[in-house]
Amino acid sequence: DIQMTQSPSSLSASVGDRVTITCRASQGIRNYLAWYQQKPGKVPKLLIYAASTLQSGVPSRFSGSGSGTDFTLTISSLQPEDVATYYCQKYNSAPLTFGGGTKVEIK
Amino acid sequence: EVQLLESGGGLVQPGGSLRLSCAASGFTFSAYAITWVRQAPGKGLEWVSAISGSGDSTDYAASVKGRFTISRDNSKNTLYLQMNTLRAEDTAVYYCAKTRSGMVAAINYWGQGTLVTVSS
Repeated sequence: DIQMTQSPSSLSASVGDRVTITCRASQGIRNYLAWYQQKPGKVPKLLIYAASTLQSGVPSRFSGSGSGTDFTLTISSLQPEDVATYYCQKYNSAPLTFGGGTKVEIK
Repeated sequence: EVQLLESGGGLVQPGGSLRLSCAASGFTFSAYAITWVRQAPGKGLEWVSAISGSGDSTDYAASVKGRFTISRDNSKNTLYLQMNTLRAEDTAVYYCAKTRSGMVAAINYWGQGTLVTVSS
C-alpha cells in the first residue's frame, strides 16, 4: 500500500507568516490528493482536492501544488483562525490513506 | 443542506459487535459513494471503508478487513457499518463522510461522528 508522509508534524509561526506543509507519497498518485483542516474539537473540512483545486468557500490564502509523489499546502498569510491540524489524503485507489497530520500553532 | 447523522456507538467488550448507522439527507444519496473514517482519541484520521453509490462495490482498510462490513440502503438513505470481533484498537470516533463523487474522490461532507469504545 502507498504510504503518505507529512512534514513537519508540528509548526509554530507568527500571524502573517507564510506556512508550507509537505506531503509525500511512497508511490506516484498523479494529482489524486486532498488537504483537510481539522480545528480543535471540530470535524475535518475539505480545503483542496485534485492537489490544487480550492474547495468552494475556502479562503484564497490557502493553496496546493504538486503531482506524482510530492505535494505542498501553503498558507500565504497565517491567521489566528488557521490554528488546526492539517491532513493530506490520497484517493487514487483504496486504501484512501491519510497523512499523519501537521499541527499548526501561532507563535 | 447536506446532513450526515451517525448513531450506534457505545461501549462494547473486546470480541463484541456493534452496528453503526448514518442517516443522510440533503443530497441524492444513491449518486454518491460514502466512506467511514475513524479517529482514535488524540490521534490522526484513518480511512476505514467505502461503498459505491449503488452499493455494488466496497473497499476496506487492511486493519478491519474480514471484521467490518459496510452496506447501504438507498431506499432509506442510510449507511451502515457492521463491526465484529472488536479490539481495543478499534476505539475511536467514527465519521460517516460523503465523497465528491465516486469511491476514489475527496470527502466534502462529514458527520459529527459517533464514539466507539472497546473495553472490558
